Amino acid sequence: EDKVVQSPLSLVVHEGDTVTLNCSYEVTNFRSLLWYKQEKKAPTFLFMLTSSGIEKKSGRLSSILDKKELFSILNITATQTGDSAVYLCAVKEGAQKLVFGQGTRLTINP
Amino acid sequence: DVKVTQSSRYLVKRTGEKVFLECVQDMDHENMFWYRQDPGLGLRLIYFSYDVKMKEKGDIPEGYSVSREKKERFSLILESASTNQTSMYLCASRSRDNSPLHFGNGTRLTVT
Repeated sequence: EDKVVQSPLSLVVHEGDTVTLNCSYEVTNFRSLLWYKQEKKAPTFLFMLTSSGIEKKSGRLSSILDKKELFSILNITATQTGDSAVYLCAVKEGAQKLVFGQGTRLTINP
Repeated sequence: DVKVTQSSRYLVKRTGEKVFLECVQDMDHENMFWYRQDPGLGLRLIYFSYDVKMKEKGDIPEGYSVSREKKERFSLILESASTNQTSMYLCASRSRDNSPLHFGNGTRLTVT
């Protein structure tokens, strides 16, 4: 059965800290791995990763994929209270299907 | 910018009622999806559609059906709502290539 596991499930840090969120997966026909940020409403797209070892960056956020060890990390440096959200990892399996992890709830305290 | 619109933000229905959740996208996307999101379980795929009048079961289709009569609209139907269908329902769409999903704001359904 296809599986995506995120850790930790919940994380509370202080503003300014750096955090690393983890996503491991087991799928039969890997196409890509995606990260989303979900505040109170719709998940919004952050990154899509298809190749190992190539870091994607957007401001203070970055992500990398390891297709040999079957995991990805999402890093956030110099965290701000606006980074508080649920971060979702999803793996595209085959042509259509996205398999989601449980999400990591990140809380940034001022 | 892609817009995925779900008709209701909050719904409260009684057990046994027939419930329609509507989703409309404005980017001519071929693929549309319905997920439900529950604490500790993440997003689980109910149904998806890759073209008008086409539908495929996802991981948890039991108790649900869907309708896609027009390309921009994808409806989720609960034939006889039950309390275990209380959840957040998210609609999403994307084009046929490997592009990311675009989500609607969700419908929080409570079945009493």
